[in-house]
Amino acid sequence: QSALTQPASVSGSPGQSITISCTGTSSDVGAYNFVSWYQQHPGKAPKLMIYDVIYRPSGVSSRFSGSKSGNTASLTISGLQADDEAHYYCSSYTTTSAPSVMFGGGTKLTVL
Amino acid sequence: QVQLQESGPGLVRPSETLSLTCAVSPYSINSVYYWGWIRQPPGKGLEWIGAMYHNGVSYYNPSLKSRVTISLDTSKNQFFLKLSSVTAADTALYYCARHSGDSSGYFRILESWGPGTLVTVSS
Repeated sequence: QSALTQPASVSGSPGQSITISCTGTSSDVGAYNFVSWYQQHPGKAPKLMIYDVIYRPSGVSSRFSGSKSGNTASLTISGLQADDEAHYYCSSYTTTSAPSVMFGGGTKLTVL
Repeated sequence: QVQLQESGPGLVRPSETLSLTCAVSPYSINSVYYWGWIRQPPGKGLEWIGAMYHNGVSYYNPSLKSRVTISLDTSKNQFFLKLSSVTAADTALYYCARHSGDSSGYFRILESWGPGTLVTVSS
């Protein structure tokens, strides 16, 4: 199974909104509403930000939102803040070969 | 708030078996969650390794399945990773994580992570 496709980098200025895409196939992203997004600051463990496409865990800012259309899921961060600068990874549940989880390659968000 | 902590040798010789432990507190691993592992080579992205339920049901990344074993010790509230026949390509930061979901995908959400432990494969 190939990794999900994410842009290598995105950038935005404080206060702006950005969107990170995550493209899979009809066997993973397109098959299930089971896409998650993780934020990873340098030297830290990933943190769950969005699960099942649109849901935010308790404690995650409402500035983070998720969506999906067809085989592409998206993470939108509004009102960019300096602390949002991090790597973001999407993941999807899949049953292509066997039930498993697959990740995207990651996107580095730079807050200008 | 669940706490997870990885431990194990930081250096493994090529062709040998990598063995890691994840200690969980204060929640019991004998619960409704799956418990699993993810790795991240230096400077690269995340790769899901596999996860196990307390009843012994396990799922693995198809690309690693032939070399991976995940097991649990409910008496110690720990779970384990064994990766056999390692090469330099297995050098990575290894994370343990609590997985959740439902009958449509039991382990699809990696909701809590340990801080990670670096394993280097080198002679």
